Amino acid sequence: GAGVSQSPSNKVTEKGKDVELRCDPISGHTALYWYRQSLGQGLEFLIYFQGNSAPDKSGLPSDRFSAERTGGSVSTLTIQRTQQEDSAVYLCASSLAAGNYEQYFGPGTRLTVT
Amino acid sequence: GNSVTQMEGPVTLSEEAFLTINCTYTATGYPSLFWYVQYPGEGLQLLLKATKADDKGSNKGFEATYRKETTSFHLEKGSVQVSDSAVYFCALSDPGGNAGNMLTFGGGTRLMVKP
Repeated sequence: GAGVSQSPSNKVTEKGKDVELRCDPISGHTALYWYRQSLGQGLEFLIYFQGNSAPDKSGLPSDRFSAERTGGSVSTLTIQRTQQEDSAVYLCASSLAAGNYEQYFGPGTRLTVT
Repeated sequence: GNSVTQMEGPVTLSEEAFLTINCTYTATGYPSLFWYVQYPGEGLQLLLKATKADDKGSNKGFEATYRKETTSFHLEKGSVQVSDSAVYFCALSDPGGNAGNMLTFGGGTRLMVKP
């Protein structure tokens, strides 16, 4: 079946612009996670959704970052006023539920801020 | 807080050599432990997992045993192949807190296997 998909696969943007990254989880998966993979910080957790709600937003690196999930499915990660340090690969994962279930990862969106 | 430390790479081996990638962790609760693999140009894939102390996870010839006494989860394979060349990530998930079993990753270890 279809896995987790993310779009765009690559995004180049100028410093100061806003970007939106999209994640389509596996159908029926109620839990959705955003992670960031960068050279300096490795793989770090950003935010988690159970259904449409995000109980913990403390992983977001600054208030320029926000995320939402609608209809218990698609999620959008928005970065406002992008900075060069936001350059990274943004990974989305989904799992059946928030518990001891395997997280399935998407291919990621590579963001480059020039 | 939780953390995962794994040996830095790159690790370069000849085909059929024995592989060990060390991983140790710090956690406040009773975490599950994972090894994820990222092949060139591909996304992260779960390689194996263990959910409690003394459990052994295994897949594709790879093994790792959850050692609570040494807080370790070392990855081993008896005979590596060129196709095993990838970046390997050790990770833990902690059932506590509000982050729904978020994964905490180690820094990754690049493995290069030469024919």
